[in-house]
Amino acid sequence: DAKTTQPPSMDCAEGRAANLPCNHSTISGNEYVYWYRQIHSQGPQYIIHGLKNNETNEMASLIITEDRKSSTLILPHATLRDTAVYYCIVRVVNTDKLIFGTGTRLQVFP
Amino acid sequence: NAGVMQNPRHLVRRRGQEARLRCSPMKGHSHVYWYRQLPEEGLKFMVYLQKENIIDESGMPKERFSAEFPKEGPSILRIQQVVRGDSAAYFCASSPLIRDRADEQFFGPGTRLTVL
Repeated sequence: DAKTTQPPSMDCAEGRAANLPCNHSTISGNEYVYWYRQIHSQGPQYIIHGLKNNETNEMASLIITEDRKSSTLILPHATLRDTAVYYCIVRVVNTDKLIFGTGTRLQVFP
Repeated sequence: NAGVMQNPRHLVRRRGQEARLRCSPMKGHSHVYWYRQLPEEGLKFMVYLQKENIIDESGMPKERFSAEFPKEGPSILRIQQVVRGDSAAYFCASSPLIRDRADEQFFGPGTRLTVL
């Protein structure tokens, strides 16, 4: 079973920041937080991951709370092409399999 | 650098036939994962393979399903005697899996299996 809880859907205006929350209250010390997204019915696309520090890359930022029980994925300037299902996953390094929950369906509107 | 390749992209089978799904990992990746996505659901892990070895098959149905990743050639997911409930999108992912690093998995475009 997935160890994360996400809202089923969110809306965001184009050009605005999209903030997607994720709860992972039972996360262990050696588990990373990963974010993937699936656009329409394509294969999932990796976005970002982190352990305890905040992370940023060209796609997004990941903010992890100090107690690591929750995190937020931030898309700084959402575009229509960011409309997708976003999955938050906790994963022990080198146990390999990804356990997907139901994700958050983000709809970006003009 | 080509990404993960899967073929066929669409496969139609009648009940009782066999389905063979192929996955070629990214260049330099020796670890392959198969996931299944039923309509309107999230992805479910099926099996993790390294070259010539099955590492974790905890998500594979006990009957009719098998997977291999030979020394040469693509990884194959084989479904024997397909039933309508096998209709789904099957995704393959690969990673280099460098030890002591959290490596991302790169996904292919999927094979959509329809069982008539």
